[in-house]
Amino acid sequence: AQSVTQLGSHVSVSEGALVLLRCNYSSSVPPYLFWYVQYPNQGLQLLLKYTTGATLVKGINGFEAEFKKSETSFHLTKPSAHMSDAAEYFCAVIVGGYNKLIFGAGTRLAVHP
Amino acid sequence: EPEVTQTPSHQVTQMGQEVILRCVPISNHLYFYWYRQILGQKVEFLVSFYNNEISEKSEIFDDQFSVERPDGSNFTLKIRSTKLEDSAMYFCASNLAGGLNEQFFGPGTRLTVL
Repeated sequence: AQSVTQLGSHVSVSEGALVLLRCNYSSSVPPYLFWYVQYPNQGLQLLLKYTTGATLVKGINGFEAEFKKSETSFHLTKPSAHMSDAAEYFCAVIVGGYNKLIFGAGTRLAVHP
Repeated sequence: EPEVTQTPSHQVTQMGQEVILRCVPISNHLYFYWYRQILGQKVEFLVSFYNNEISEKSEIFDDQFSVERPDGSNFTLKIRSTKLEDSAMYFCASNLAGGLNEQFFGPGTRLTVL
């Protein structure tokens, strides 16, 4: 069965520092992977997704993620954190009839001056 | 920009009462979903809906739950007799064509069962 594990429920970085949010997946078939962000009092917004093709995927707001099959990982990075990046980030995999997202537990990112 | 809306933002109810959570998906979308997130836990899939019928449901979605598209715009989740453990944030989502297309999420309804 497919599953997603996010290492670190809370991550804190300084403004301008590298952001690295970790996601590992378990899947018996080629996975389709997603990162969503949730700002306070808002819904989940898609940051980026990997389906096929290039393993380095660029998303909105300067974020990118790399699919590494050998490591079963899909870590999210951003070279330089901004205060507005403070939010909760969810990694997810799509399964079944391509209709059901399976989410990780989420990582809350704090950015301090 | 079109968005998914949900009402109410917060619902408080007594155990055993029926609640209806409402969602207005993006107007040209055809696939609709409900997810929930119990405080401190993962976002969990509940049900997907297409062409006026359930296409998939999770083990959480038992006989106490039902979904309906009563008109051309609303998509509702009904919990027939709420339990304490139904307290959670409920998210509605929609997408144009299912599959790998982006699911657009609403802001959620926080349900508190007392």
